[in-house]
Amino acid sequence: DTEVTQTPKHLVMGMTNKKSLKCEQHMGHRAMYWYKQKAKKPPELMFVYSYEKLSINESVPSRFSPECPNSSLLNLHLHALQPEDSALYLCASSQEVGDGYTFGSGTRLTVV
Amino acid sequence: GQNIDQPTEMTATEGAIVQINCTYQTSGFNGLFWYQQHAGEAPTFLSYNVLDGLEEKGRFSSFLSRSKGYSYLLLKELQMKDSASYLCAVRDHSSGGSYIPTFGRGTSLIVHP
Repeated sequence: DTEVTQTPKHLVMGMTNKKSLKCEQHMGHRAMYWYKQKAKKPPELMFVYSYEKLSINESVPSRFSPECPNSSLLNLHLHALQPEDSALYLCASSQEVGDGYTFGSGTRLTVV
Repeated sequence: GQNIDQPTEMTATEGAIVQINCTYQTSGFNGLFWYQQHAGEAPTFLSYNVLDGLEEKGRFSSFLSRSKGYSYLLLKELQMKDSASYLCAVRDHSSGGSYIPTFGRGTSLIVHP
């Protein structure tokens, strides 16, 4: 298995909703990442997990809450988002932190 | 941190060769990646350079000059499916040792018949 699987592919949520994005990989990668990408912009780093521990939080607002239940899974819990949070959310993994990434296909999030 | 510069947009003809440049400024260079991203899709890994020189992989090659802070991605025998954004990402170990690559803004390549 050489893929990173993200669900759902599309999500529309209201500003009072709570939802979660899920990411799974079975490549034995020890680093997992969440990125946010707006149209025609590069991906922006949000969080980095290394060996299931949060190692980097790029000053992300608390309405985004990451979780790494085990070495294969990464979640991003969303609560009280704003319309400006609408974006493509990408999960990625790599063998170790800083190695080449395998990206998931992303979740296109729309906050209404 | 890094200062990464790529052209915003390039156009080329099917069958031709195109070179996409990336310049960077960093105090602790530790590798450079190229990714391809089709519209609405996730980036896919193309190449990695950490030593000077040319790395060839089929129709795609990537070059690095560390002394010049410069890399390019060379695409040969262009196909319509090569129309995509090409992202340069630079890794350094000066930012507290994080080793997380920073992405450039990407170059949108349009291939026309």
